[in-house]
Amino acid sequence: QKEVEQNSGPLSVPEGAIASLNCTYSDRGSQSFFWYRQYSGKSPELIMFIYSNGDKEDGRFTAQLNKASQYVSLLIRDSQPSDSATYLCAVIGTASKLTFGTGTRLQVTL
Amino acid sequence: GAVVSQHPSWVICKSGTSVKIECRSLDFQATTMFWYRQFPKQSLMLMATSNEGSKATYEQGVEKDKFLINHASLTLSTLTVTSAHPEDSSFYICSASRQGAYEQYFGPGTRLTVT
Repeated sequence: QKEVEQNSGPLSVPEGAIASLNCTYSDRGSQSFFWYRQYSGKSPELIMFIYSNGDKEDGRFTAQLNKASQYVSLLIRDSQPSDSATYLCAVIGTASKLTFGTGTRLQVTL
Repeated sequence: GAVVSQHPSWVICKSGTSVKIECRSLDFQATTMFWYRQFPKQSLMLMATSNEGSKATYEQGVEKDKFLINHASLTLSTLTVTSAHPEDSSFYICSASRQGAYEQYFGPGTRLTVT
């Protein structure tokens, strides 16, 4: 079982729709969760981090965390073509190491 | 802000030579810096973690004598790829975090091509 799992996609959504990206993790003791965006050929850019159960909103982005289900998600409202990228879920587990998922490729279509 | 820079952004070198990559935190003190490698269409792979003034901690399978890491100040870490070979060609990315914080901020990456 991978430590951090994401569907590789591509996830295709029309412009203006809500994109929902999901991530599960195996280390039940994980405490810190991050979403990064990576454009092709570029390095990752931190979008959001979340530490507590529930929702955290920042502009068009909402991160949702459910520790009981070991599940973290990222919602992107009013998706734009510029949101097309690979979204990496990253988790800090009990070993205090940041572990990345393989990423979900999002395509926002016109 | 939390800006991290890397230099050079790309480098081409001949097999057998060494290449040094610099990573700088521009607007914060980075007590911990990380070096990653990413091959095409693959996820980031952590190579090593370095704390200012200490020896780097390398991940399993990463040769510490081949990938020399120095973290001499709170704003600068360097990665030297020694005796580079074509299989070392990759995208090398550093990241940095503040003391007591878990979030990492990434540099723009260095694309290394060994011919």
